[in-house]
Amino acid sequence: QSALTQPPSASGSPGQSVAISCIGTSSDVGGYNYVSWYQQHPGKAPKLMIFEVNKRPSGVPDRFSGSKSGNTASLTVSGLQAEDEADYYCTSYTGSNNLVFGGGTKLTVL
Amino acid sequence: EVQLLESGGGLVKPGGSLRLSCVVSGLTFSDAWVTWVRQAPGKGLEWVGRIKSKAASGTVDYAAPVKGRFTISRDDSKYTVYLQMNSLRNVDTAVYYCSHDTSGYYSLHTWGQGTLVTVSS
Repeated sequence: QSALTQPPSASGSPGQSVAISCIGTSSDVGGYNYVSWYQQHPGKAPKLMIFEVNKRPSGVPDRFSGSKSGNTASLTVSGLQAEDEADYYCTSYTGSNNLVFGGGTKLTVL
Repeated sequence: EVQLLESGGGLVKPGGSLRLSCVVSGLTFSDAWVTWVRQAPGKGLEWVGRIKSKAASGTVDYAAPVKGRFTISRDDSKYTVYLQMNSLRNVDTAVYYCSHDTSGYYSLHTWGQGTLVTVSS
C-alpha cells in the first residue's frame, strides 16, 4: 500500500485560509469515507482534528474543516493562527483492515 | 477521560527483541480497539498494526514491514496492549505510539505520549 500524497509544505499569513491536499486512490481515499487528519507539534503526540472526512472531535475549532472529492481529500484551516503552525497528516482506511498515512505537510504561519 | 500510556522503549541491538506496553484507562478496556503507530526520527507517521476488542474476535492486523516480526496482543485483566518486537532492524528505530480507535475504521481519537525504541549496535 503506497502512502497518500501530501504537499511537503504549505503556508499562509494570520487570518488567511490554507488548504492541504491528500491524494490517494480508489482503494483508499476514493473508496471510503474514513479519512482523518492529525496535527502534530514538534515533540508532541499527534492530535485528531478531522475524522470520517469532515467531522470534528469536540474541542477542535470550527476553523478546521475537511472535504473529499474523488480520490482527493482536503483539510482547510481558516482564520490562520500562530498556534496552527504544525505538521499535518492525512490517513485513510484501505478496506483490508489496514491504514495508510500521508507523508505529512508542514504548515507555516508567516 | 481516556488516557494511554506507553512504556518499554529503550536501546536494543539489531536482531534483538523488545516488548512495549500500552496501558489504557478511562474507558471499558474490553471494548477498546488499539492501534500502534511509529515515527522514525525526522520522518512521518507510519501505521504498525491494530488489535480489535475481544468482542470483535480480537483480530490483529499488521503493516507489511513488520508482519512476521511484530506481534500485538492484549491482556484485558491488566488493561494493557502489548507490542512484541522481534528481529529488530535499524530501520525500526522510532517513537512508538499507541492510540484508541473509536470507530473501527481508524479514527484515532486519543494517543499516548510515545516511547522511543533505538535499534543500534
